[in-house]
Amino acid sequence: AQKVTQAQTEISVVEKEDVTLDCVYETRDTTYYLFWYKQPPSGELVFLIRRNSFDEQNEISGRYSWNFQKSTSSFNFTITASQVVDSAVYFCALSGDSNYQLIWGAGTKLIIKP
Amino acid sequence: GAGVSQSPSNKVTEKGKDVELRCDPISGHTALYWYRQSLGQGLEFLIYFQGNSAPDKSGLPSDRFSAERTGGSVSTLTIQRTQQEDSAVYLCASSYWTGASTEAFFGQGTRLTVV
Repeated sequence: AQKVTQAQTEISVVEKEDVTLDCVYETRDTTYYLFWYKQPPSGELVFLIRRNSFDEQNEISGRYSWNFQKSTSSFNFTITASQVVDSAVYFCALSGDSNYQLIWGAGTKLIIKP
Repeated sequence: GAGVSQSPSNKVTEKGKDVELRCDPISGHTALYWYRQSLGQGLEFLIYFQGNSAPDKSGLPSDRFSAERTGGSVSTLTIQRTQQEDSAVYLCASSYWTGASTEAFFGQGTRLTVV
């Protein structure tokens, strides 16, 4: 069975702090994909990144970075020098060859205080 | 359109009534998904359509829920005899293809409240 766990329900930090959102997954698929989506207060889910199971290189995009480690089945997301506009709910999701529907974590609500 | 459009944005209905939620996907997207998001929860898969193939209805929670997609474009999710536990945000997403690697684009959702 596939499962995504985001153990942090809510994180609150002060602006400019770095923050890491954890994501742990379970799957039996050899080929699978991991995603992060952002859901701001407006409600619309915004795609941030996709990673396939064969590519463990870390990725950096501006203030965002992702650490994919198959050994620990984790795909953590770090925001450096956080800003108030980063406040949102962040979802980690998983899909694989055994099913195309995204399996979602429960989300982490990130609050950035000015 | 430029993005996935859902209507209405908010719907309040009385218990026992039927409701219809509409999704207009991005033009050219062959795959369309419906998800349900309860307060403070992740997304629960309901149904997806891919081209002319039979839809995957495995996520529909009961036979009160149904969905159709006309002409491979607009989709309607229908909930019959609504119950209070149906209250949630219903999200629609579309993508070019339904493969596991494909990113989905989401609408802003319909917030359904059953009173």
